[in-house]
Amino acid sequence: DSGVTQTPKHLITATGQRVTLRCSPRSGDLSVYWYQQSLDQGLQFLIQYYNGEERAKGNILERFSAQQFPDLHSELNLSSLELGDSALYFCASSVTGRGQELFFGEGSRLTVL
Amino acid sequence: AQTVTQSQPEMSVQEAETVTLSCTYDTSESDYYLFWYKQPPSRQMILVIRQEAYKQQNATENRFSVNFQKAAKSFSLKISDSQLGDAAMYFCAYRYPNTGNQFYFGTGTSLTVIP
Repeated sequence: DSGVTQTPKHLITATGQRVTLRCSPRSGDLSVYWYQQSLDQGLQFLIQYYNGEERAKGNILERFSAQQFPDLHSELNLSSLELGDSALYFCASSVTGRGQELFFGEGSRLTVL
Repeated sequence: AQTVTQSQPEMSVQEAETVTLSCTYDTSESDYYLFWYKQPPSRQMILVIRQEAYKQQNATENRFSVNFQKAAKSFSLKISDSQLGDAAMYFCAYRYPNTGNQFYFGTGTSLTVIP
């Protein structure tokens, strides 16, 4: 158990819909990262938050948005969903100390039909 | 820009044998961190091993060890006495502390263990 909690674990929805993925980082971790992993693909970095502030943005579509709340949990909002958005979405957290690794949640598997 | 390259999309190894997965990276920095993550069929991302660039000694974790060649910007993972449970996707990752603690991942190597 990494200590990072993601909900829901599985989600099936239709094209055009909107979903919210939730992440609770490990206790004490201020940084939250979101990654997208399509079938048999690598990890695509979407966005990073640090203590409520956006720190870095990767290949995140305009239809996607995220935020980190004062209690440090984070939400990734995906709207106007398309078939190609079907993927495993990982949340990971890390302390800011040097050399600390990312701790990953189990992922939220999104299927868009 | 920092990039991480894994040139072997797929590898296979006989059970109990040794296999080496390759990783190279591009950076102009001297102080950074490297990681290998394992992603088994469960899709959970699991840290295998970590290397600090300022340490010359190669990291070792039980059957897993790395060959860190800083000048060559190479960071390979050696798995000894391979077991069926080692079958997974392996990702190499680079972290430079001063760029917002960004992590850069390679595209992964899929390892098959043959009984």
